[in-house]
Amino acid sequence: GQQLNQSPQSMFIQEGEDVSMNCTSSSIFNTWLWYKQDPGEGPVLLIALYKAGELTSNGRLTAQFGITRKDSFLNISASIPSDVGIYFCAGSLLPGGGADGLTFGKGTHLIIQP
Amino acid sequence: NAGVTQTPKFQVLKTGQSMTLQCAQDMNHEYMSWYRQDPGMGLRLIHYSVGAGITDQGEVPNGYNVSRSTTEDFPLRLLSAAPSQTSVYFCASSYILCLAGCNTGELFFGEGSRLTVL
Repeated sequence: GQQLNQSPQSMFIQEGEDVSMNCTSSSIFNTWLWYKQDPGEGPVLLIALYKAGELTSNGRLTAQFGITRKDSFLNISASIPSDVGIYFCAGSLLPGGGADGLTFGKGTHLIIQP
Repeated sequence: NAGVTQTPKFQVLKTGQSMTLQCAQDMNHEYMSWYRQDPGMGLRLIHYSVGAGITDQGEVPNGYNVSRSTTEDFPLRLLSAAPSQTSVYFCASSYILCLAGCNTGELFFGEGSRLTVL
């Protein structure tokens, strides 16, 4: 099946720093999604990307759908303590969200030191 | 807004016991699914359903049964629990939109059910 390589596995940063994480695949995807999971909660959708080259922002978060359709990155600017959590990328062969075709990355643990 | 509701939130079982994890959604979503989350493994799909009466296997279906008698509910059954099934289980749902073809939308997750099998 499809496999996603998400990196880094964990990040330990100072409050106020910018954060960058990415996902790569050997296969193309038609949809890229980024989720955040707070401790003890389920993942929540942050950003959805539907077209190659698309760059989308959600507040301090910016994500891009790679032009090759095999990668995506997520940037967080000026991190704050509530950004702590696990960030998952997910790719789907299907357009429009593609819930029934999703493959998840293994997650990036973000830890922020005040 | 309730969204996706899972019960119980925590459960401890002995090896060989059976139990059912409940999942209900109030968004009239046709698509529902179960994932398990293990350290270092991310989220892995167990079973999914695209509508009442229709279920299918995901990546790791062994040891689990599902049924979909209504649009709202999608219970996950463990018939004979094993320690390898110790995990956090997430139910998720999505809409299905049919225009030129049918596509699912983004997943909405429940808060999770933490299961320990001794």
